[in-house]
Amino acid sequence: DAGVIQSPRHEVTEMGQEVTLRCKPISGHNSLFWYRQTMMRGLELLIYFNNNVPIDDSGMPEDRFSAKMPNASFSTLKIQPSEPRDSAVYFCASSLASYNSPLHFGNGTRLTVT
Amino acid sequence: GENVEQHPSTLSVQEGDSAVIKCTYSDSASNYFPWYKQELGKGPQLIIDIRSNVGEKKDQRIAVTLNKTAKHFSLHITETQPEDSAVYFCAAPSDSGGGADGLTFGKGTHLIIQP
Repeated sequence: DAGVIQSPRHEVTEMGQEVTLRCKPISGHNSLFWYRQTMMRGLELLIYFNNNVPIDDSGMPEDRFSAKMPNASFSTLKIQPSEPRDSAVYFCASSLASYNSPLHFGNGTRLTVT
Repeated sequence: GENVEQHPSTLSVQEGDSAVIKCTYSDSASNYFPWYKQELGKGPQLIIDIRSNVGEKKDQRIAVTLNKTAKHFSLHITETQPEDSAVYFCAAPSDSGGGADGLTFGKGTHLIIQP
């Protein structure tokens, strides 16, 4: 199994530009999570999906952030327009939608907004 | 929602010694407590987890203990080796239960193994 795959690994963009992060979950997993990691705030849950349906987006910081999951094997996290304070590492994780099921993380996208 | 506190933020131990990282949680209904290890440039990887029906679980040099009454759980690493150097995170379910709705993470412990 290839694990959770995220792209790109690194993204550098200028303030005001649109940024799209991509994620391919583990085949057969029906829950997908987007986390953001910063030194100050640690790992924060942004949004998660069950069976491609967004369940809780209360962690999404602002309307500039949006996420979609058009099918079971693909999800995107979009920031438009981006700001320097969005600079962080963004992780996607997947799991089976059941109790006590561990999360499997991708290797993240390091976003730098200048 | 769940609140997870983790201590210490940095821990330096001599190779071969033991390391202990402690976490507390707030939701007494939580019943699943995983530990993750994050190496530089990678995502967190699950190393061990414990369910609330047991007080201790061991896997080779790694063990986790759980005290549900006090709402705290700990990670124990014995005979530490250089490859144990990493950031370790504890977590608890964000919902009142087993984590199907995601996990809330502690702020992490940077473990440094001194040769």
